[in-house]
Amino acid sequence: GAVVSQHPSWVICKSGTSVKIECRSLDFQATTMFWYRQFPKQSLMLMATSNEGSKATYEQGVEKDKFLINHASLTLSTLTVTSAHPEDSSFYICSASEGVDEAFFGQGTRLTVV
Amino acid sequence: DAKTTQPTSMDCAEGRAANLPCNHSTISGNEYVYWYRQIHSQGPQYIIHGLKNNETNEMASLIITEDRKSSTLILPHATLRDTAVYYCIVLWVPRDDKIIFGKGTRLHILP
Repeated sequence: GAVVSQHPSWVICKSGTSVKIECRSLDFQATTMFWYRQFPKQSLMLMATSNEGSKATYEQGVEKDKFLINHASLTLSTLTVTSAHPEDSSFYICSASEGVDEAFFGQGTRLTVV
Repeated sequence: DAKTTQPTSMDCAEGRAANLPCNHSTISGNEYVYWYRQIHSQGPQYIIHGLKNNETNEMASLIITEDRKSSTLILPHATLRDTAVYYCIVLWVPRDDKIIFGKGTRLHILP
């Protein structure tokens, strides 16, 4: 089946710095990708919809200036957590779909801000 | 998308069939039932989906009631590796829309 790959799998950064997470669709083109965040023992929470060639659409309560999303090509979307703080520590997951049947999810990126 | 209701958690003995129920009483005629699972510290994995007929693949079977208001995911011979959170989701197909996850069912496979 189709594969979605995230990089890095885990990252530790200092408070106040920015971190970029990449999401790639490896064998299909995705005009739309989605970014989720998951805190321990909770479900996935949708953060934003990443649209190729246009601005991302953010869910209510998600700060667009803090979580910058760029979808510059049909196979790559990036999420940049700017000025990270310890409360941003979480598991970030992306997904993409060929638009027909199932969505495919990346393996996730565990961000720890110290 | 229609809302789904699932039990918070379930236990199943290794080697037995795991039957995970899902209620989706407000499902509309064009919406499919999807099942995903999330093993700890991994991204969700697609399992199966269906519209009205029962479906089977190499991972599981999906039984949808005739009125489509509920469904059951069946893992025929559960193994310890099936321990995960299972999400039942109702979606339009073809889809390019977002998936909103509920709380799912935490399935524990017991040795």
